[in-house]
Amino acid sequence: GAVVSQHPSWVICKSGTSVKIECRSLDFQATTMFWYRQFPKQSLMLMATSNEGSKATYEQGVEKDKFLINHASLTLSTLTVTSAHPEDSSFYICSARDTYNSPLHFGNGTRLTVT
Amino acid sequence: QKEVEQNSGPLSVPEGAIASLNCTYSDRGSQSFFWYRQYSGKSPELIMFIYSNGDKEDGRFTAQLNKASQYVSLLIRDSQPSDSATYLCAVDGAGNMLTFGGGTRLMVKP
Repeated sequence: GAVVSQHPSWVICKSGTSVKIECRSLDFQATTMFWYRQFPKQSLMLMATSNEGSKATYEQGVEKDKFLINHASLTLSTLTVTSAHPEDSSFYICSARDTYNSPLHFGNGTRLTVT
Repeated sequence: QKEVEQNSGPLSVPEGAIASLNCTYSDRGSQSFFWYRQYSGKSPELIMFIYSNGDKEDGRFTAQLNKASQYVSLLIRDSQPSDSATYLCAVDGAGNMLTFGGGTRLMVKP
């Protein structure tokens, strides 16, 4: 089945630094990947849609200059949290679909803690 | 605004009982429907998907779809404590993305 790999699983960083999270589709090509954020006991929140070879589409209220998304190839998308602050501490999850109408496959998520 | 609605719960059932999770959606044009399970602190994992009206069974799980009523449900037979999790309903939307409901928290008590 379709596998999405996400790294790192967890990261602790100091306030003001940047953190990069990688999302790879291992056995399929993903022209579109999706980035979600989830705070404890809350629902998944779509942050942005990452499109291979073009700019990401951000959801309302998500700062595109803070959450940089790059989708350089059909199997790799990265999310960089720039100048991280404690309020950016959250669970970030990427996902992708291998074909139209297929299920969304999720990575294992990255737990970010900003101190 | 396309919406997917779920009762947040918690839905509490005794071990061995049938758990019934419900979901309604607003977009009549939706074609694909998915159920995910999410344990606390983990990412969602796919349980079932259904595309056609009627029932689809997979082990202890049955997905039911009624497009006329814009309603999709998930039945879990012989519920186990390990089924305790949040169940997310997702519906196809525009742009190859899914719209998720807020999730229903299921608690299966031994």
